Amino acid sequence: KAGVTQTPRYLIKTRGQQVTLSCSPISGHRSVSWYQQTPGQGLQFLFEYFSETQRNKGNFPGRFSGRQFSNSRSEMNVSTLELGDSALYLCASSLLGSAEKLFFGSGTQLSVL
Amino acid sequence: GENVEQHPSTLSVQEGDSAVIKCTYSDSASNYFPWYKQELGKRPQLIIDIRSNVGEKKDQRIAVTLNKTAKHFSLHITETQPEDSAVYFCAATPGGADGLTFGKGTHLIIQP
Repeated sequence: KAGVTQTPRYLIKTRGQQVTLSCSPISGHRSVSWYQQTPGQGLQFLFEYFSETQRNKGNFPGRFSGRQFSNSRSEMNVSTLELGDSALYLCASSLLGSAEKLFFGSGTQLSVL
Repeated sequence: GENVEQHPSTLSVQEGDSAVIKCTYSDSASNYFPWYKQELGKRPQLIIDIRSNVGEKKDQRIAVTLNKTAKHFSLHITETQPEDSAVYFCAATPGGADGLTFGKGTHLIIQP
């Protein structure tokens, strides 16, 4: 079966712009979570969605938001981009609706200039 | 919140030797401890996980041990092979809606 799909693979934006990233989970997985990966901070939890509801959020500013649709696909939005937002954004899906046995996508590499 | 420390940051071993990566966590409520492997330019992949009610788990050449009292867990890889070269991340979570808190990663290098 198909894995977790993230689009686009690469994005280049300038400071102040906004960006939307997309994630399609594995079929049947209702939980989608997002992580930011940077060389300095490593992997950090952004938020988790289950059945269209955000159940938890990590320690990120309100500029980071997301949503989940009825087909479990998820989008993540970052507004008013800052240079420090440059990172690999990873989406992960889970059958069990928690942080257990996450299947990660290949990520979206965001560069903010 | 949870804090996970991982050591060493880089580990170089001879092919065929064993490798051990260690992590400590701070939140006594954490009850699930996965390990992910990330090859260069690829996605993280779950290689093994353990729950707090189990002290050790093995899967072929890979094993994880957990000491709840010391809040410490370790990854053991035996008979290392070139394909084991990657960055390994430990993580912890209390479960439920909480996300994973990851360690900073260990770059494992297998020397031929």
